Amino acid sequence: DAGVIQSPRHEVTEMGQEVTLRCKPISGHDYLFWYRQTMMRGLELLIYFNNNVPIDDSGMPEDRFSAKMPNASFSTLKIQPSEPRDSAVYFCASTQHATNEKLFFGSGTQLSVL
Amino acid sequence: QKEVEQDPGPLSVPEGAIVSLNCTYSNSAFQYFMWYRQYSRKGPELLMYTYSSGNKEDGRFTAQVDKSSKYISLFIRDSQPSDSATYLCAMNRGSTLGRLYFGRGTQLTVWP
Repeated sequence: DAGVIQSPRHEVTEMGQEVTLRCKPISGHDYLFWYRQTMMRGLELLIYFNNNVPIDDSGMPEDRFSAKMPNASFSTLKIQPSEPRDSAVYFCASTQHATNEKLFFGSGTQLSVL
Repeated sequence: QKEVEQDPGPLSVPEGAIVSLNCTYSNSAFQYFMWYRQYSRKGPELLMYTYSSGNKEDGRFTAQVDKSSKYISLFIRDSQPSDSATYLCAMNRGSTLGRLYFGRGTQLTVWP
């Protein structure tokens, strides 16, 4: 199994631009999570899906952030417009219900907004 | 105040040392306690988990939970350079899948 796949690995953009981060979860996993990691705040849950349906989006910081999961094998996190304070590493993770303590993380997308 | 507090370090020890990593938390509803390890430029991976209070051992690693003190620990015996990573504690209430609360992580370096 290839694990959770995220793209791009690095993204550098200018303030005001739209940014789209992509994630392919592990096949058969029915939960998908988006986390953001910064030095100051650590790992923060942004949103998670169960069977492609958003369950908890209380961590999404602002309306500038949106996430979709059109099917079981693909999810996107979009920031529009981007701001310098959005600079962070964004992780996608997936799991099965039966193993709720074990999240499988992707390698992350390092986002820099100039 | 964050619900989970963890000293970010950095912590630097010689090979063979015993390492102690700790977290405190404020929510008494937490029931599942986990330690994730994160290598540089990688995502976290689950190292150990425990349910409620007590100890759990896996090779050189021992996880301890003291719910009365709201304090959890991870001990690494005979530390190796390959243990150099950031260690994050995490916990949840158990009833809500996926809503993990993470500490900020402690950066550990084990030098030869």
